[in-house]
Amino acid sequence: EPEVTQTPSHQVTQMGQEVILRCVPISNHLYFYWYRQILGQKVEFLVSFYNNEISEKSEIFDDQFSVERPDGSNFTLKIRSTKLEDSAMYFCASIKDRDYEQYFGPGTRLTVT
Amino acid sequence: SQQGEEDPQALSIQEGENATMNCSYKTSINNLQWYRQNSGRGLVHLILIRSNEREKHSGRLRVTLDTSKKSSSLLITASRAADTASYFCATEGSYNTDKLIFGTGTRLQVFP
Repeated sequence: EPEVTQTPSHQVTQMGQEVILRCVPISNHLYFYWYRQILGQKVEFLVSFYNNEISEKSEIFDDQFSVERPDGSNFTLKIRSTKLEDSAMYFCASIKDRDYEQYFGPGTRLTVT
Repeated sequence: SQQGEEDPQALSIQEGENATMNCSYKTSINNLQWYRQNSGRGLVHLILIRSNEREKHSGRLRVTLDTSKKSSSLLITASRAADTASYFCATEGSYNTDKLIFGTGTRLQVFP
C-alpha cells in the first residue's frame, strides 16, 4: 500500500542553523501539507501546497519557514534559522483531492539545542 | 475558528470491553477524520466520515457524526491491548480550506 515517507526520522540541530525536512507524498496525490506537534500538545497545521504554490498557511508559518516541491516526488520544509521553540515532531501529509483521507508520514522529530 | 475537543481526555478499560470517545467541533465541515497515534509515533488514519453521512463502520470501529450537534463519536468494540494509543479527531472545514484542525485527543489504555 502506498505511503507517505519522511526523512530524516530524527534531526538534531543548533539554534540558528537551517534545517530541511524531506517528504515523499503518495504518488498520485495533489495536495500536500506540513503539520507539527510539540511534545504533549495537539497537532497543528502549518501550510498547505497545491499546484506548486502555497494555498494556505497558519500564523506559525512565518518568514523563517518555506516549502518547496523541487521535483515530481519530493516536498520539503525549510526552517531558515531554528529556534528552541521549533523543537517538535513535523508531519507531512497528502491527499488525492479535497474531501478525501489525509495520509500522514511517520514524522521527523526535530530537536533544537 | 473551528476546534475539535475530545472527551474523555483519558480512558482505561479491560481487554474485551468497548471504548467510546467523543469529539466536538465548532464550524461547518466537509468531513471528520479519526487518527490513532502510538506514543511518539506517526498518525495512522482510521476512518473518514463525510458531512452527509451519519454512521460508518470499519472492522471493530464505528464512527457516528451528528452535524446538528457538531459532534462525533468513535467506538472501538472488543478492545485489545494493542489498541492502547491516543486517538484524535480532525475536521476539514467546508469554507475554502482543506487543512485539518485536530482535537486534543483521548489517551486510551487497554489492560490485558
